[in-house]
Amino acid sequence: AQSVSQHNHHVILSEAASLELGCNYSYGGTVNLFWYVQYPGQHLQLLLKYFSGDPLVKGIKGFEAEFIKSKFSFNLRKPSVQWSDTAEYFCAVNPSWGGNEKLTFGTGTRLTIIP
Amino acid sequence: DAGVTQSPTHLIKTRGQQVTLRCSPISGHKSVSWYQQVLGQGPQFIFQYYEKEERGRGNFPDRFSARQFPNYSSELNVNALLLGDSALYLCASSLLPNEKLFFGSGTQLSVL
Repeated sequence: AQSVSQHNHHVILSEAASLELGCNYSYGGTVNLFWYVQYPGQHLQLLLKYFSGDPLVKGIKGFEAEFIKSKFSFNLRKPSVQWSDTAEYFCAVNPSWGGNEKLTFGTGTRLTIIP
Repeated sequence: DAGVTQSPTHLIKTRGQQVTLRCSPISGHKSVSWYQQVLGQGPQFIFQYYEKEERGRGNFPDRFSARQFPNYSSELNVNALLLGDSALYLCASSLLPNEKLFFGSGTQLSVL
C-alpha cells in the first residue's frame, strides 16, 4: 500500500518569501502525484498534478512541483508567496493504473503568510 | 454551475446510531468518491462508485456502506456509530474515474 509523508506541519512565512513544502511517498510502482489546497472556509481543490512526462509541473496561482523519482519526492514550490496563499496544503498519490480512486493523502501542511 | 453538494452540513449522533450522508455530484459527472477526514489528518479514501457500481473500497469496516443512484447521486451509510467515526466526510465527483476530482464542502459528523 502507498503512503505519503508531509514533514512540515505548520509553516509561517512573510509575504514575498519563497516557499517549499516537502512531500515524500512510499510505493513500489509508478504513481500519479497531486497537490490539493484548502483555503479557509473552502473545499479542497486541485493545485497541480503529475501523471507522466516533464517532472516539473506548473499549477494554478504560480505554484509548481518537481517530481524526483530517485528521492520519491514531489515538493511544492512558489518563488514569492502572498497573504492569500494562507491555506492547508495536501500532497496525495495513487497508483498509475488506478485512476483517481484510492487517493492516499498526507497529513497536510498548514501555511500561514504574515502580511 | 453548482459544485458538488453534500447534505447535511453538520450532524450530531450518539453511539450506536446509524447515519446517512448524501452527495450530489456536478452535473454530468458519473464517478463519486467518499473520503473521511479526521481532525488533523488528511482525507482517507472510503469508497468510489462509477455507473452505480463500486469500483474501490478503502480500509473501513463493514459498518460503512454506500450506493450510487441512476442520477449519479450517492449516499454513504454508517451503522453502529462509534466515537471514532466523528470526522468530516467528503464527497468528490469526476466525469470519469481517472479524471480531476472536485470536492464538496463535506458533512461534519459528531458522535457523542
